[in-house]
Amino acid sequence: GENVEQHPSTLSVQEGDSAVIKCTYSDSASNYFPWYKQELGKRPQLIIDIRSNVGEKKDQRIAVTLNKTAKHFSLHITETQPEDSAVYFCAASIRTDKLIFGTGTRLQVFP
Amino acid sequence: EAGVVQSPRYKIIEKKQPVAFWCNPISGHNTLYWYRQNLGQGPELLIRYENEEAVDDSQLPKDRFSAERLKGVDSTLKIQPAELGDSAVYLCASSTAAGTSGFGPGTRLTVL
Repeated sequence: GENVEQHPSTLSVQEGDSAVIKCTYSDSASNYFPWYKQELGKRPQLIIDIRSNVGEKKDQRIAVTLNKTAKHFSLHITETQPEDSAVYFCAASIRTDKLIFGTGTRLQVFP
Repeated sequence: EAGVVQSPRYKIIEKKQPVAFWCNPISGHNTLYWYRQNLGQGPELLIRYENEEAVDDSQLPKDRFSAERLKGVDSTLKIQPAELGDSAVYLCASSTAAGTSGFGPGTRLTVL
């Protein structure tokens, strides 16, 4: 079955700097890769997703890149702000049926 | 559009007791998921429904866990009897064929 690895487990950056979180997946049939942001005690919120027919997708300060050959995808946050502090999860699935989540990255943005 | 609704938000029980969680998905969403999230980890799928049919329950510990989705709308997840290791947040999500719509607020279960 699918296995998703996520790095780093914690990431601390200064406000205004960029943050990059990387994930690798094992099942080459996976074709849907969402990213979720989860604040303490709250539900995971979908922030961006990408499908395997696209190499990059951007939404304001957030971008996701996908390398199908290497089976890895990354989340890029530019101009980080303190409110970006949260745990971020990547996930992979075939279609959207059975998301397999990574172990999470705790991002801290210091003012 | 109302989001996924779950209740209760918190539940504290003693081990060996039964417990049930309820989920009301977004109207019109045929697919419903139950996930379990342990502290510091990502959500893990327990069961997925397409309408009233459980199409993937491979990760559901069937000796103590059960779920139902009568009429293909609301769903209930039950644990009987609960064990200490069942303490976690139980998340419900729903979606259309276009993709996952999002998660409910979750039920935080503490088993003493």
